[in-house]
Amino acid sequence: VQLVESGGGLVQPGGSLRLSCVASGFTFTNSAMTWVRQAPGQGLEWVSTISGGDAKTYYADSVKGRFTLSRDTSKNTLSLQMDSLRVEDTAVYYCVRSSNWDPWGQGTVVTVSS
Amino acid sequence: VMTQSPLSLPVTLGQPASISCRSSQSLLHSDGNTYLNWFQQRPGQSPRRLIYRVSNRDSGVPDRFSGSGSGTDFTLRISRVEAEDVGVYFCMQGTLWPPITFGQGTRLEIK
Repeated sequence: VQLVESGGGLVQPGGSLRLSCVASGFTFTNSAMTWVRQAPGQGLEWVSTISGGDAKTYYADSVKGRFTLSRDTSKNTLSLQMDSLRVEDTAVYYCVRSSNWDPWGQGTVVTVSS
Repeated sequence: VMTQSPLSLPVTLGQPASISCRSSQSLLHSDGNTYLNWFQQRPGQSPRRLIYRVSNRDSGVPDRFSGSGSGTDFTLRISRVEAEDVGVYFCMQGTLWPPITFGQGTRLEIK
């Protein structure tokens, strides 16, 4: 059971990035999946969740309207489309199976800076 | 709002440690469960859940870790701190989601 994130990088304010999280060892259809981020030297912040059954999505107020969470069950891949990025979105982004909060991915670094 | 204390916790090896987590609202869900988790984040690693629903240890978690509490007040205890316990500990509530909220984190270090 493993999650591997990718897609992080350096982007200017106002830009976009698409993060991916590929799961192995389990299927999304039975699992709620969540993105959590951690700004440098800071704590954990919930970003977004997609439910297992009906794929309903939920967002933190800080990203609502700018981030879009989706999944491709055929590829067992979770995607986080991040638009209108701000400096304060700079963080390590983790995906995690939030049905039981295990496993966590290794994280992917997003830096928003001019 | 989840409030942890202390934010920094220096502990001598072999001594006990205790971390408090307080919620601004009761975390007792209408289904009778209390969705309060504890996570450990070792330096340079991803977080790992230790305790779920207040007092249930996850598989592989040493029995020196225990969780207790109810309503708005919760505690994570380590009976005898070992070197591998160094890191940051977070409480997290899932009762009142969305949003899911975490405490600020408590940094445990060896004195």
